[in-house]
Amino acid sequence: ILNVEQSPQSLHVQEGDSTNFTCSFPSSNFYALHWYRWETAKSPEALFVMTLNGDEKKKGRISATLNTKEGYSYLYIKGSQPEDSATYLCAFIVSSGSARQLTFGSGTQLTVLP
Amino acid sequence: KAGVTQTPRYLIKTRGQQVTLSCSPISGHRSVSWYQQTPGQGLQFLFEYFSETQRNKGNFPGRFSGRQFSNSRSEMNVSTLELGDSALYLCASSPDYTEAFFGQGTRLTVV
Repeated sequence: ILNVEQSPQSLHVQEGDSTNFTCSFPSSNFYALHWYRWETAKSPEALFVMTLNGDEKKKGRISATLNTKEGYSYLYIKGSQPEDSATYLCAFIVSSGSARQLTFGSGTQLTVLP
Repeated sequence: KAGVTQTPRYLIKTRGQQVTLSCSPISGHRSVSWYQQTPGQGLQFLFEYFSETQRNKGNFPGRFSGRQFSNSRSEMNVSTLELGDSALYLCASSPDYTEAFFGQGTRLTVV
């Protein structure tokens, strides 16, 4: 059973603060790492798909980095806004022959206070 | 392009009954995966179907089963429902493993 861990479990920040959270995953048989944002009453939506060690991706105020050798990814939010409040999920994909499986972490629940 | 459609959105069933949930993937996506989310838990992987074949299976009892049709639509069945099966069931489709597109889920309540 693959173990994908996210920390912290929840986070409250003030509007304007920058924040970051971590996703840890097994470093063997790495195929890809996804970050998703899950807002209440909506479906999870993909933020980033990361495949290469050292990848850095950015979308507006949100960015992510990937270290496949040590098995972690960071998600950063610069200048948090109330609309950033959501659960942020990472999903690790391992490749074993032709089979691939997304394994999700439990998520980091972010609340941005106005 | 239509998104992933799950039906029904909400369902209430009694212990011991069985239930079937449906997922219509995005057109052209051949991979459909199912996940369960219970309060306090992350998304737990149930199974994945690709071109009508179950390609991966999570660690769930045999009461949970699924299938995929030739048009890529998928159904998930849970037999002999237990109270602990109350959860949000999400379906995701993907053309490959570049990105998963999720439906809005079916909220199942077992009473």
